[in-house]
Amino acid sequence: EVQLVESGGDWRQPGRSLRVSCVASGFNFGSYAMHWVRQVPGKGLEWVSGITWNSDNKAYADSVKGRFTVSRDNANNSLYLEMNSLRAEDTAIYFCVKDQFGSAWNYFDYWGQGTLVTVSS
Amino acid sequence: EIVLTQSPGTLSLSPGERATLSCRASQSVSRYLAWYQQRPGQAPRLLVSGASTRATGIPDRYSGSGSGTDFTLTISRLEPEDLAVYYCQQYSNSVTFGGGTKVEIK
Repeated sequence: EVQLVESGGDWRQPGRSLRVSCVASGFNFGSYAMHWVRQVPGKGLEWVSGITWNSDNKAYADSVKGRFTVSRDNANNSLYLEMNSLRAEDTAIYFCVKDQFGSAWNYFDYWGQGTLVTVSS
Repeated sequence: EIVLTQSPGTLSLSPGERATLSCRASQSVSRYLAWYQQRPGQAPRLLVSGASTRATGIPDRYSGSGSGTDFTLTISRLEPEDLAVYYCQQYSNSVTFGGGTKVEIK
């Protein structure tokens, strides 16, 4: 059974940093691209970032480019999102999401339950 | 950036009725379009990929159609469990989501 378990969500003041993590199981993690998608509670979905299977290609939404960094550790089946210079508008549930394929960006066949990041003073 | 516009914003129907959800892209995405269902309090779930291919375990009440810029998700006979928000997603050029359609059951 595929499982994606996020952790690390917390409260931060604007301008501070936070790292959220995702541990995957039930599939060959190192063969698939992975993504972060966020959702303000009660609002729609926003793709944040993606990383290919071998970390050769990383991409970001314009809203987080230059502030967020995605990375992965295939040996430990883990995905990370380092968030710097946090803003109030980064407040959201962050979902770890599995891509259907290893390279480029495709549709998402498995989602974690999400971790809540709150940014406020 | 490719913008996806979903309509209507809310659909209120009775059990057994047909629901028709629309997703329109600001430029052609060929058939690189997926649909997701998000039930209250849950993570999204993949319903359809490639505009019309149902994901594993999805009932045949759900069907997707369209190509280019205009797409439709049809739920042929609504059941109470279909109460959810439905999102379309394009993966032709990066990734973007539509704003969602909320399906209410009368």
